[in-house]
Amino acid sequence: QKEVEQDPGPLSVPEGAIVSLNCTYSNSAFQYFMWYRQYSRKGPELLMYTYSSGNKEDGRFTAQVDKSSKYISLFIRDSQPSDSATYLCAMRDSGTYKYIFGTGTRLKVLA
Amino acid sequence: NAGVTQTPKFRILKIGQSMTLQCTQDMNHNYMYWYRQDPGMGLKLIYYSVGAGITDKGEVPNGYNVSRSTTEDFPLRLELAAPSQTSVYFCASSLAGGDTQYFGPGTRLTVL
Repeated sequence: QKEVEQDPGPLSVPEGAIVSLNCTYSNSAFQYFMWYRQYSRKGPELLMYTYSSGNKEDGRFTAQVDKSSKYISLFIRDSQPSDSATYLCAMRDSGTYKYIFGTGTRLKVLA
Repeated sequence: NAGVTQTPKFRILKIGQSMTLQCTQDMNHNYMYWYRQDPGMGLKLIYYSVGAGITDKGEVPNGYNVSRSTTEDFPLRLELAAPSQTSVYFCASSLAGGDTQYFGPGTRLTVL
């Protein structure tokens, strides 16, 4: 079993839809969670950074962590064609500064 | 402020050749990282550095070497290139361990 699992997609949604992207993990010690967005042939860029459980909102993006289920989500409201990209989750425990990355979910928002 | 820059953008190598991938950051970050990204495999850590003169292996270090003589630069050396090293290579940096990592644009390497 991989430490971090992420559905590769592609996930296709119409413009304006609410998108839910998810990662599951096996290590209950993970406490720091990040979501990166990666456009085609570009480097990843940080979208959201959360610690422990709960929700964090930033504009159209909401990151949610459910440590009891070992499950994290990224919600995108009012999705736009410019949101079309691959979304990577990354996480670590407090004993290391090395992050484990998911394989990424490819999202397509159709105009 | 350019952030993290990488050169070259693309490179084709023949089996057995060597090359150095360059990475420079201008954010005065202490930590720097090299990752490779293969299709469907996510980002795998090759080497990292916590400061000038200090480097350590990541998850997939075989076939690579690094050095960190300055805070700004963290080159990755490939000796005796193999087809298994065909990948996209990303350099990243962070101010401290565990902090947000800022990525460069990547180097797309093909070994034939």
